[in-house]
Amino acid sequence: GDSVTQMEGPVTLSEEAFLTINCTYTATGYPSLFWYVQYPGEGLQLLLKATKADDKGSNKGFEATYRKETTSFHLEKGSVQVSDSAVYFCALPGNTPLVFGKGTRLSVIA
Amino acid sequence: DGGITQSPKYLFRKEGQNVTLSCEQNLNHDAMYWYRQDPGQGLRLIYYSQIVNDFQKGDIAEGYSVSREKKESFPLTVTSAQKNPTAFYLCASSISGAGGTGELFFGEGSRLTVL
Repeated sequence: GDSVTQMEGPVTLSEEAFLTINCTYTATGYPSLFWYVQYPGEGLQLLLKATKADDKGSNKGFEATYRKETTSFHLEKGSVQVSDSAVYFCALPGNTPLVFGKGTRLSVIA
Repeated sequence: DGGITQSPKYLFRKEGQNVTLSCEQNLNHDAMYWYRQDPGQGLRLIYYSQIVNDFQKGDIAEGYSVSREKKESFPLTVTSAQKNPTAFYLCASSISGAGGTGELFFGEGSRLTVL
């Protein structure tokens, strides 16, 4: 069935460092792809999405490009801030509701 | 403001007791979902409902029950049959139950601790 695999954490970075969180997927066809973010003690919220191959989703300085050749949707940010500390989830629609990766915890230190 | 409200935020339960978690949405969404979150395991789907009076089991439905009598409400009961109920529970909703755009809207979560 459809699945996503994202890099294990935790990831610890200094403020203003470059961030990459890898996500690869297995799916039939070319589904939409999503990144969700969960701040401490809260529910998840949609960070960005891409609905077709080669699309780039972006929001709050984060970007991810839907690459069908490598079945990937890696999350990037050029300069992280302490406020970006959260857990990030890659997801795609499966036969049932969204299939989520296991999440990657990011900690940014000043 | 439109959104999803989960209550209670924190709940403590003795072993052998049933407990019901509330989830209410005013987004006029057709579909609602319950996920369980454990450290290092991501989100696992418990139950979902695409329409009133209908619901389907997710990946880990054993020990849980739900009802969908109203479009706005999707309560989850954690029964005594659930062997390890201590977890963070997340309710979500979406416009379409068929995957659709894929965007889920989440509540703030309920943390259940079994003593």
